[in-house]
Amino acid sequence: SQQGEEDPQALSIQEGENATMNCSYKTSINNLQWYRQNSGRGLVHLILIRSNEREKHSGRLRVTLDTSKKSSSLLITASRAADTASYFCATGTASKLTFGTGTRLQVTL
Amino acid sequence: EAGVAQSPRYKIIEKRQSVAFWCNPISGHATLYWYQQILGQGPKLLIQFQNNGVVDDSQLPKDRFSAERLKGVDSTLKIQPAKLEDSAVYLCASSFGTGADQPQHFGDGTRLSIL
Repeated sequence: SQQGEEDPQALSIQEGENATMNCSYKTSINNLQWYRQNSGRGLVHLILIRSNEREKHSGRLRVTLDTSKKSSSLLITASRAADTASYFCATGTASKLTFGTGTRLQVTL
Repeated sequence: EAGVAQSPRYKIIEKRQSVAFWCNPISGHATLYWYQQILGQGPKLLIQFQNNGVVDDSQLPKDRFSAERLKGVDSTLKIQPAKLEDSAVYLCASSFGTGADQPQHFGDGTRLSIL
């Protein structure tokens, strides 16, 4: 079963705009991770945020976590065509990581 | 460092045939995962190894799927016999530690098509 559910399912923006993806989940977690998957490739780890953290940054990425609402968001600032990919949240318990359904991001020139 | 290696990249078989996939994780990574990713969905964990022991195989259809990691390094995943619903990408991943707070490193997967 898939714990996390991303919203929107698909997102199309122009280069230079910001992209925001949301992830909602159902049960308590220890951490939440975001991954990127380019077409035909494996997943690439982007960022991890622990349950006692509220916000984390990495380059053009900003992740927030609200454990009271059981939700997280991934913001990509100043998007580039190379950011075109599917983005997955993954919720971590003590021993298991469960991936969501993904958001497909298209960045056009 | 070299990434996670998987082979073959593509495989086409008929239903009821058998197929095997191979994975070589990143050197030094104790934990190895096999995932099934159906088109349009996120990866679903099939089995997790720590060294050569199974940590979690609760979602592995054991009547037709098997996996091994005999020497605690590379691993094979087998399907026998294959069904139409097994059409998917099979991803292998590895991580240095065993906890769910470890970033996982993925190979590019094997795309399996069942005719």
